[in-house]
Amino acid sequence: AQSVAQPEDQVNVAEGNPLTVKCTYSVSGNPYLFWYVQYPNRGLQFLLKYITGDNLVKGSYGFEAEFNKSQTSFHLKKPSALVSDSALYFCAVRDRSTGGFKTIFGAGTRLFVKA
Amino acid sequence: EPEVTQTPSHQVTQMGQEVILRCVPISNHLYFYWYRQILGQKVEFLVSFYNNEISEKSEIFDDQFSVERPDGSNFTLKIRSTKLEDSAMYFCASNKAGGGQETQYFGPGTRLLVL
Repeated sequence: AQSVAQPEDQVNVAEGNPLTVKCTYSVSGNPYLFWYVQYPNRGLQFLLKYITGDNLVKGSYGFEAEFNKSQTSFHLKKPSALVSDSALYFCAVRDRSTGGFKTIFGAGTRLFVKA
Repeated sequence: EPEVTQTPSHQVTQMGQEVILRCVPISNHLYFYWYRQILGQKVEFLVSFYNNEISEKSEIFDDQFSVERPDGSNFTLKIRSTKLEDSAMYFCASNKAGGGQETQYFGPGTRLLVL
């Protein structure tokens, strides 16, 4: 069965410091991996995705994520956090071997960036 | 930039009543989805829809739920007899092509409250 784990409910970072939001996954086949961000009372906004190729994926707003197949991880990173990055972040996976229709989301990690 | 829209933004209903949530996906997209997010919890897949039929559904999507594309633009989720536990934010999403690698674009959501 597919699953996504985000081990931290909350991450606190000072503005200007690097941030990491962790994600590990479990799928039977090869994954498609995604990060979405949710601001209060808003829908999900796509940040970035890993499909194939280079393990380091760059996305919107300066975020990047590294796919690590051996560790089944896809951690979200940003070199220098902004207060405006404070939001709820969701890691998500689709199993390409099952057609990729269903997206499984992690529980979410709330990021607080303090000025 | 084209976006997914959803109406209404909020809906309050009595237990046992039928509700229809409406979505207008991005116009050249072919794959449509419904997700829900119970307050404070993770986003859960409900159903995917392509070529006028359900591609995949979760165990949450029981006989009380149905989806329809009544015309060329709308995509609806009907809950026949609402229960208290149906209270959640419901998100519609769409993407252009299949295969799982396509980015899903989410609407802003409909907050459903069942009393």
